[in-house]
Amino acid sequence: DARVTQTPRHKVTEMGQEVTMRCQPILGHNTVFWYRQTMMQGLELLAYFRNRAPLDDSGMPKDRFSAEMPDATLATLKIQPSEPRDSAVYFCASGLVAGGTEAFFGQGTRLTVV
Amino acid sequence: AQSVTQPDIHITVSEGASLELRCNYSYGATPYLFWYVQSPGQGLQLLLKYFSGDTLVQGIKGFEAEFKRSQSSFNLRKPSVHWSDAAEYFCAVGLLTGGGNKLTFGTGTQLKVEL
Repeated sequence: DARVTQTPRHKVTEMGQEVTMRCQPILGHNTVFWYRQTMMQGLELLAYFRNRAPLDDSGMPKDRFSAEMPDATLATLKIQPSEPRDSAVYFCASGLVAGGTEAFFGQGTRLTVV
Repeated sequence: AQSVTQPDIHITVSEGASLELRCNYSYGATPYLFWYVQSPGQGLQLLLKYFSGDTLVQGIKGFEAEFKRSQSSFNLRKPSVHWSDAAEYFCAVGLLTGGGNKLTFGTGTQLKVEL
């Protein structure tokens, strides 16, 4: 059963600490998306990749957030330094480059910055 | 830029009653449209999608949605709701870019089912 895997599922950290979230996309998928979900803003697209290359990260605060794909099986989202306003659920999704194809979501990482 | 509006933040229905969740989109061309469902503490699961052909699409769990170009709508329906359908529902529009579908989501509709 192919699925997107995210780790950790939950993370509590202190303000100022570095946070790294990981995502293993579905094997064979060549697009990866990072979304952030909060009560106030809903689902926001932070960044997305095609064939491991970043195509759009305009939704990400550049000064503290960074997203990479070291290889086809791993995507990372890093926050340094973290702030309380970064508390949210972060979702990774993967898909294929083709019209009409959906994105498959992981179960998310719930981040709490205290 | 494309946008999605889900005008109902919360909806409560009785088990066994019919359901319709509204979704309106703004996009310059024929969009790719999706409905996702999110249960508490879970990720988003695709219910159904539309990108061409028959404007009435069938999805999982007995859901269907109808694309109406004239109304820029893609409403989700179910003839008889089950208690397990209680969840949050998101409509999304896909913009086909060089990188595949970039989805823009609505704000979601929280469905409560009364027994």
